[in-house]
Amino acid sequence: DQQVKQNSPSLSVQEGRISILNCDYTNSMFDYFLWYKKYPAEGPTFLISISSIKDKNEDGRFTVFLNKSAKHLSLHIVPSQPGDSAVYFCAASVYQGAQKLVFGQGTRLTINP
Amino acid sequence: DSGVTQTPKHLITATGQRVTLRCSPRSGDLSVYWYQQSLDQGLQFLIQYYNGEERAKGNILERFSAQQFPDLHSELNLSSLELGDSALYFCASSVRGVESITDTQYFGPGTRLTVL
Repeated sequence: DQQVKQNSPSLSVQEGRISILNCDYTNSMFDYFLWYKKYPAEGPTFLISISSIKDKNEDGRFTVFLNKSAKHLSLHIVPSQPGDSAVYFCAASVYQGAQKLVFGQGTRLTINP
Repeated sequence: DSGVTQTPKHLITATGQRVTLRCSPRSGDLSVYWYQQSLDQGLQFLIQYYNGEERAKGNILERFSAQQFPDLHSELNLSSLELGDSALYFCASSVRGVESITDTQYFGPGTRLTVL
């Protein structure tokens, strides 16, 4: 049972344009969400997070939007840069005796010059 | 550099063997987490330790075990290895990870295990 889904395995965007990565979840107990970025041969790197009491969080070029009623979150990157090319994972956090993260399967973002 | 270190980077072994993966958390972090990433899969949570004690378990096989030592480093032991155990194994750490859901987990570079 995939509780966190990233339905687009890949996305290609022109440099300078907006990249929008999407993530859906099914478990209403999730109340904290994170985005990680992963380059080949490296571990995931934390990018940005959002609490369920907010609907938007911004950090420089990165903005995460949360729609709790739709159980949907998205990551916007603007403007997109070649260095943004990586695999992006969304993760949902739930407390079950300790914090547990459930990850989506990732979206490979390619920024074309 | 996240501050989390993992050794070895690569490990090649045969079916039926046993291996140990090692992780050192960031300075000051008390929680260590282990994840498995198989080909084209997301990261699957295996197990978490907080200050030496097991706190949460995910889809960890009985053939796998872990521990966290007094100096807070952690080891993941994989035994009776099968071909399907070939994967990337990541360790992450966070400051607490207990009594909080808003901790950020910082990941190490991973160990690539190949079982032949």
